[in-house]
Amino acid sequence: AQKITQTQPGMFVQEKEAVTLDCTYDTSDQSYGLFWYKQPSSGEMIFLIYQGSYDEQNATEGRYSLNFQKARKSANLVISASQLGDSAMYFCAMRAGGGADGLTFGKGTHLIIQP
Amino acid sequence: DSGVTQTPKHLITATGQRVTLRCSPRSGDLYVYWYQQSLDQGLQFLIQYYNGEERAKGNILERFSAQQFPDLHSELNLSSLELGDSALYFCASSATEGGYGYTFGSGTRLTVV
Repeated sequence: AQKITQTQPGMFVQEKEAVTLDCTYDTSDQSYGLFWYKQPSSGEMIFLIYQGSYDEQNATEGRYSLNFQKARKSANLVISASQLGDSAMYFCAMRAGGGADGLTFGKGTHLIIQP
Repeated sequence: DSGVTQTPKHLITATGQRVTLRCSPRSGDLYVYWYQQSLDQGLQFLIQYYNGEERAKGNILERFSAQQFPDLHSELNLSSLELGDSALYFCASSATEGGYGYTFGSGTRLTVV
């Protein structure tokens, strides 16, 4: 069975600082994908970034980057130069194997950016 | 706008009733997934469709069913509703199975009273 662990229930960060949100995963599959989603208070799930298990480079999407350490089974999200609009819940998720069993989500980290 | 459209956005109904949630996937996406987000269970995968065919089931109750139509839109039917079914229901779609671009709609918030 797959498992995603997010150990930071909540974080307070000053505006313009960089933020690292932790995510560790557990799977016996060799092929898997890792996702990060943002969920603001309005409720929608916004895709941020994706990393495939065979991707050699860490994924980047604008201010978001994924620090992928395969041996440690970690997939931390890094947000550079945080903004007030980054305040939201952040979920790490994994697709294992062929993906037919949907995504497995962590419990999320509630990030609050302070001015 | 993610390109995945869910209707309605909010739904309030009584226990024992039946409701239908609708999802239109992003243009070109053949895979459609349904998820439930509740306070106690978090985000859980319910069911997956590919080009009209059911492909995988997750933690979906027998009182719930879904289908994907030839135009690729999907419906999730929830019957004999209980208070515990109150949750945010998401539809997602993707062009490849579980790969980049796995996009969620804005969800339907169901309240059972």
